[in-house]
Amino acid sequence: QKEVEQDPGPLSVPEGAIVSLNCTYSNSAFQYFMWYRQYSRKGPELLMYTYSSGNKEDGRFTAQVDKSSKYISLFIRDSQPSDSATYLCAMSAGSNYQLIWGAGTKLIIKP
Amino acid sequence: DARVTQTPRHKVTEMGQEVTMRCQPILGHNTVFWYRQTMMQGLELLAYFRNRAPLDDSGMPKDRFSAEMPDATLATLKIQPSEPRDSAVYFCASGYALAYNEQFFGPGTRLTVL
Repeated sequence: QKEVEQDPGPLSVPEGAIVSLNCTYSNSAFQYFMWYRQYSRKGPELLMYTYSSGNKEDGRFTAQVDKSSKYISLFIRDSQPSDSATYLCAMSAGSNYQLIWGAGTKLIIKP
Repeated sequence: DARVTQTPRHKVTEMGQEVTMRCQPILGHNTVFWYRQTMMQGLELLAYFRNRAPLDDSGMPKDRFSAEMPDATLATLKIQPSEPRDSAVYFCASGYALAYNEQFFGPGTRLTVL
């Protein structure tokens, strides 16, 4: 079993829908939780970054961490075709620890 | 506009040939990561450096892969000899020590070994 599990999708939703992307993990030492976005034929870029439990909001994006359930989520409100990309979750036990990556979920927003 | 650059962007080679990939990290970043991405395995960490010193290369097949940082502006990843199973996209990323969570990725080198 991998340390970080993420459904590869693809997940296809109509424009304007609320999108929920999720990862589960097994290592209770993880403290830092990241979401990276990767457009086709590009490198990943950091989208959201959360420390420990709780919610963090940035525009249309909300990152949620539930450490008791070892479950993290990324919500996208009012989804746009430009949100179509692969979303990778990543986690670490500390700020100078290497990242453990999920497989990535391919998201398609249909106009 | 600071960004990580990688060359070449695409490489097609024959099995057994040597492949060298280059990366220029963002000026001032002191940590460099090499990743490999495939559909089957996802993103795998091959090696990383802090202040040009290798910290961990346990993700690399040691018999054929080597990574170096000859200076602060250049990181290299070599495969010799290359095999078809090495076909993948290789990414370089840079960042700051104590801030591994924010890594800045280059555009990648798409390698095809025939």
